[in-house]
Amino acid sequence: EVQLVESGGGLVQPGGSLRLSCAASGFTFSSYWMTWVRQAPGKGLEWVANIKQDGSEKYYVDSVKGRFTISRDNAKNSLYLQMNSLRAEDTAVYHCTRGSTYTDYWGQGTLVTVSS
Amino acid sequence: DIVMIQSPDSLAVSLGERATINCKSSQSVLYSYNNKNYLAWYQQKPGQPPKLLIYWASTRESGVPDRFSGSGSGTDFTLTISSLQAEDVAVYYCQQYYSTPPYTFGQGTKLEIK
Repeated sequence: EVQLVESGGGLVQPGGSLRLSCAASGFTFSSYWMTWVRQAPGKGLEWVANIKQDGSEKYYVDSVKGRFTISRDNAKNSLYLQMNSLRAEDTAVYHCTRGSTYTDYWGQGTLVTVSS
Repeated sequence: DIVMIQSPDSLAVSLGERATINCKSSQSVLYSYNNKNYLAWYQQKPGQPPKLLIYWASTRESGVPDRFSGSGSGTDFTLTISSLQAEDVAVYYCQQYYSTPPYTFGQGTKLEIK
């Protein structure tokens, strides 16, 4: 059974940093692109970033470029999102998802709250 | 970036009736070289992550009931639920995955029972 379990969310002050993790199981992690998608409270879905199987290609939505870094460790079956210079508008549930284009499995998400 | 607009924002349909949700993209998501539309539909129930329903505009994901169907091409797409069931109450999103990221979503359509 495919499982994606996010962790690392929490309350952080504006300008602060946070690192999200996603533990993957039930499939060959190294064979798939992976994607982060976020959802602000009561709002819609926003595609954030994705990363190729070997980490050689990464893409970001403009609003996080230069602040967020997506990475992965295939030996640990883990996906990461390093978030720096956080803003109030980054407050959201961050979902780890499998796939490069459409995504067929989603984690429950981890809540990031940026507030003073 | 490609902008996705869904209509309506919310919809109330009687049980057993047809529900139709529309999605329009700001540019074509049809690749002429393979004649595929780079468009997916997701369902999100309260308190749950989204679930993939349809990809390539009309291919149903494994396990998705056949009352769900997707249609359209180019810039105009439709998700149809042929006979609404109580468990279909959810928010539905379209997403384009044409060319390079970001792969944008529509704003969502909330489907309720009338």
